[in-house]
Amino acid sequence: DIQMTQSPSSLSASVGDRVTITCRTSQSITSYLNWYHQKPGKAPKLLIYAASILQSGVPSRFSGSGSGTDFTLTISSLQPEDFATYYCQQSYSTPFTFGPGTKVDIK
Amino acid sequence: EVQLVESGGGLVQPGGSLRLSCAASGFTFSSYWMSWVRQAPGKGLEWVANIKQDGSEEYYVDSVKGRFTISRDDAKNSLYLQMNSLRAEDTAVYYCARQGRQWLAYSYWGQGTLVTVSS
Repeated sequence: DIQMTQSPSSLSASVGDRVTITCRTSQSITSYLNWYHQKPGKAPKLLIYAASILQSGVPSRFSGSGSGTDFTLTISSLQPEDFATYYCQQSYSTPFTFGPGTKVDIK
Repeated sequence: EVQLVESGGGLVQPGGSLRLSCAASGFTFSSYWMSWVRQAPGKGLEWVANIKQDGSEEYYVDSVKGRFTISRDDAKNSLYLQMNSLRAEDTAVYYCARQGRQWLAYSYWGQGTLVTVSS
């Protein structure tokens, strides 16, 4: 199975901050990397797929980059509605593992 | 509008069984791989299983192999998860999700159904 790591596991930031979350996989997944965020009591929401393609309806302050084993999610200017837990997920081979999550909260 | 609505969760004793359902609408169900993803209380997301459009292929995470069975009924636009020999560690909210065609990401999720395994 492909192992996923994320860093940091949590971070505190202010509205307007630039935030970067990294995701690393145990083997190459080319660009089969997706990013979601989840708020308490809600289903996850897809933000980025194929490492860098913005899902329809997702604000352009979100961006993704990377390929192979190293990936990054960037929020260019954090907004109040962005405080949530962020997960990366590989869809290269089953089981389609998720990263452990990065909790973004208010400083 | 795409909708996925799970049902069938509840309290079950260790060793017991439960069958989850997911009713799909707003898209051609038979054209998509479908999946189950779960989340234990206070924990992260765990991919559980998926099933091909015609039901001819199924894949599972190791922790549920031999105990859980994913299935679908395209005539009823429904996805199922039969869970047997349930353990305390299976306690979670179970989500059904539609798998994207090219990059296999999950752009549509249900609201989830809670399964609690406890005596």
